[in-house]
Amino acid sequence: DIQMTQSPSSLSASVGDRVSITCRASQTIGSYLNWYQQKPGKAPDLLIYAASSLQSGVPSRFTGSGSGTDFSLTISSLQPEDFATYYCQQSSSTPYTFGQGTKVDMK
Amino acid sequence: QVQLQQWGAGLLKPSETLSLTCAVYGGSFSGFWWTWIRQPPGKGLEWIGEINHSGSINYNPSLKSRVTISVDASKNQFSLKLSSVSAADTAVYYCARGQNGYIGYDYWNFDLWGRGTLLTVSS
Repeated sequence: DIQMTQSPSSLSASVGDRVSITCRASQTIGSYLNWYQQKPGKAPDLLIYAASSLQSGVPSRFTGSGSGTDFSLTISSLQPEDFATYYCQQSSSTPYTFGQGTKVDMK
Repeated sequence: QVQLQQWGAGLLKPSETLSLTCAVYGGSFSGFWWTWIRQPPGKGLEWIGEINHSGSINYNPSLKSRVTISVDASKNQFSLKLSSVSAADTAVYYCARGQNGYIGYDYWNFDLWGRGTLLTVSS
């Protein structure tokens, strides 16, 4: 299985901050990397697919980058609705696997 | 607007079998991979397996011996059975739509999710 490792596991930030989360794959996955946002009690929502493509309806403050084994998700200016847990997920090969999550909470 | 609606038992005793169904409303059933994903309380996400409209299946090897995913394309529904459940299977179970495409290179993602069903396994 391909292991996905996110860092940090949690971070505290303020509205307006620039926030970055990294995700590393245990082997190369090309651009088969997706990012999801999950709020408490809700299903995950797709934010970014194919490493850097913005899902329809997602604000442009979210950007993804990377390829191969190293990826990142950046929120350019954190908004109140962005406090949530973020997961990366590889779709290069089954079993599809997720990172352990990064919880973004209010400082 | 496409929606996934899921249902099934939420409380089981150890050794019983989990049975969940997910229905697809308002959109095409073919051309996608219909997926089950679970999340233990306070933990991360685990992919269980997927099926397409013609019945091709992929399972997570870690669960393969206990999992059966099936499809009823005539009803736009797919189902999950997980046998011999234990406390370790306590989790929220989500159905989701797997889609692929091409934007100069291939991509694959889970773009639509059900609301989730909490399974509690307790004697």
